[in-house]
Amino acid sequence: DTAVSQTPKYLVTQMGNDKSIKCEQNLGHDTMYWYKQDSKKFLKIMFSYNNKELIINETVPNRFSPKSPDKAHLNLHINSLELGDSAVYFCASSPTVLRGAGGKNIQYFGAGTRLSVL
Amino acid sequence: LAKTTQPISMDSYEGQEVNITCSHNNIATNDYITWYQQFPSQGPRFIIQGYKTKVTNEVASLFIPADRKSSTLSLPRVSLSDTAVYYCLVGRGMLSNFGNEKLTFGTGTRLTIIP
Repeated sequence: DTAVSQTPKYLVTQMGNDKSIKCEQNLGHDTMYWYKQDSKKFLKIMFSYNNKELIINETVPNRFSPKSPDKAHLNLHINSLELGDSAVYFCASSPTVLRGAGGKNIQYFGAGTRLSVL
Repeated sequence: LAKTTQPISMDSYEGQEVNITCSHNNIATNDYITWYQQFPSQGPRFIIQGYKTKVTNEVASLFIPADRKSSTLSLPRVSLSDTAVYYCLVGRGMLSNFGNEKLTFGTGTRLTIIP
């Protein structure tokens, strides 16, 4: 039973198109993330949601819009795709970290979505 | 966020113990040290986490000296399946009103196990 699942696993599309990547976690976690891993294997955080509320929004183009319908889902919609968007996108989740506590953020990652923009 | 420095790559033979060291000179008092493993075409996977001294689980050991400015991930008797990229991360990893702490992955160490 997959803990963090992303769909699709592969996505090939033309420049200018709009696409979405879905992510679901069945771990009961309150926090979810989107990361981008480029061809050089650098893994960079893009967004984070806690209980459906956006809490981290890194400097990414506003063509990228995360949507969290509930705390088990965090989808990523990308408008007007560009060549530079080609990468592997990872979804992750982590348990609730209590305010003021010595939080230990352990994240659980999905298998990734390989996006190729042609 | 504390910056980390790791070797870019390492090679080892099967059956040996592998030690990967990570430097984090500006680690803060409340920071934890966490290691992740990433296989090709997969997402990172949590291996081990510690604050000080030594932590051991079924997969690895983590050694942290008293000054906490470095840490060493130890993989006992590696096999070919341990070939992966290993990331060292430092931070509270706490998402709260105190500040949006987030995990920052460095370049990682590409470990190759040789038959």
